[in-house]
Amino acid sequence: EVQLVESGGGLVQPGGSLRLSCTASGFTFSSYAMTWVRQAPGKGLEWVSAVGGSSGSTYYAESVKGRFTVSRDNSKNTLFLQMNSLRAEDTAVYYCVKFRGLRINYYYMDVWGKGTTVIVS
Amino acid sequence: QSVLTQPPSVSGAPGQGITISCTGSSSNIGAGYDVHWYQQVPGTAPKLLIFVNTNRPSGVPDRFSGSKSGTSASLAITGLQAEDEADYYCQSYDSSLSGYVFGTGTKVTVL
Repeated sequence: EVQLVESGGGLVQPGGSLRLSCTASGFTFSSYAMTWVRQAPGKGLEWVSAVGGSSGSTYYAESVKGRFTVSRDNSKNTLFLQMNSLRAEDTAVYYCVKFRGLRINYYYMDVWGKGTTVIVS
Repeated sequence: QSVLTQPPSVSGAPGQGITISCTGSSSNIGAGYDVHWYQQVPGTAPKLLIFVNTNRPSGVPDRFSGSKSGTSASLAITGLQAEDEADYYCQSYDSSLSGYVFGTGTKVTVL
């Protein structure tokens, strides 16, 4: 069974840092690009960041560029999101999501984790 | 701020059909990028419902269908069931933003 399990969320003060992790199982992790999507309380979905499978190329939403860093350890089937200079508006549930598709601009999100909650206050 | 616009809410009686629109622009849907749809039951993670405009993943009932034309896309649900009550989001890629974008979301209520 394909599974994504996030961890690392919690309460942090404004200006602080947090590192999210996502452990993947049930598929060849290194073969797929991965992404983070967040959802603020009572709000819609917002794409945050993505990382290529083997290439390791990284991509960021403008709202987090320069503050967040996405990375992966294919030997441990784990995806990371390092979040620095956190703001109140970063408060959200953060989902780890597996990408699928033929070309990066046409990717879709086929498997979602249950999410981990980050509160900046 | 989302660049894909959806109606905030749509409702229908059990057995009826509804349609949810997703309106974009020339830098996303109109540029030819695919549209995908997700269903989110409150309190749970989103789930892929339609991929690459019209395709259903295994296990998704054929009551759900997607279409795309010009700068817009639509999700149709026929034979509404109580279990279809959820939030629905469209998603595409935007070349101006160089990133993935979601719609504003639509809450579906089964009357």
